[in-house]
Amino acid sequence: DAGVTQSPTHLIKTRGQQVTLRCSPISGHKSVSWYQQVLGQGPQFIFQYYEKEERGRGNFPDRFSARQFPNYSSELNVNALLLGDSALYLCASSLVGNRAGELFFGEGSRLTVL
Amino acid sequence: KNQVEQSPQSLIILEGKNCTLQCNYTVSPFSNLRWYKQDTGRGPVSLTIMTFSENTKSNGRYTATLDADTKQSSLHITASQLSDSASYICVVSAIGGYQKVTFGTGTKLQVIP
Repeated sequence: DAGVTQSPTHLIKTRGQQVTLRCSPISGHKSVSWYQQVLGQGPQFIFQYYEKEERGRGNFPDRFSARQFPNYSSELNVNALLLGDSALYLCASSLVGNRAGELFFGEGSRLTVL
Repeated sequence: KNQVEQSPQSLIILEGKNCTLQCNYTVSPFSNLRWYKQDTGRGPVSLTIMTFSENTKSNGRYTATLDADTKQSSLHITASQLSDSASYICVVSAIGGYQKVTFGTGTKLQVIP
């Protein structure tokens, strides 16, 4: 069975641009969460979606948005990119949505903002 | 404020030696604690998950302990291998959903021949 898949794996953008990151959860998992990991730090929670509804949001500005599709895949959008948005963006899926069950992470999307 | 602190920040050990990583947390109300291994530039991979009633859990050469009274956990790695070189992240969840998941900053372990 395929694990959590994320795309693209690497991308380079310039300040002010917009980016869309994609995530496909493990088959059967209905919950997807997004994390930002700056180099040398632990992941920071951005969003959680369960059954296509936003169930949690971390301390990130409105430039960050996400959605979940009927097939439970998800997209993370970041507008008006800043240099500080450079990070590894991790997606995790789990079976449960209303509590933090075991998280299965993808390999991440490495975003570099120049 | 929920916090997870890990020590040491980094560690270098010789292949074949044992090591112990520490995690202290101030997360409430406690739900579970997980240890993840993260290779450089890769996504974290779960090693163990422990709930309030569990004191010890093993996964091969990895053994995690939990003391819910003192809010401390440790990850012991036995007979280290070069492939154990990675960051080890302690993740503590409070009851209440994903916004209650707190990640430590990790311990960067390097195993040298």
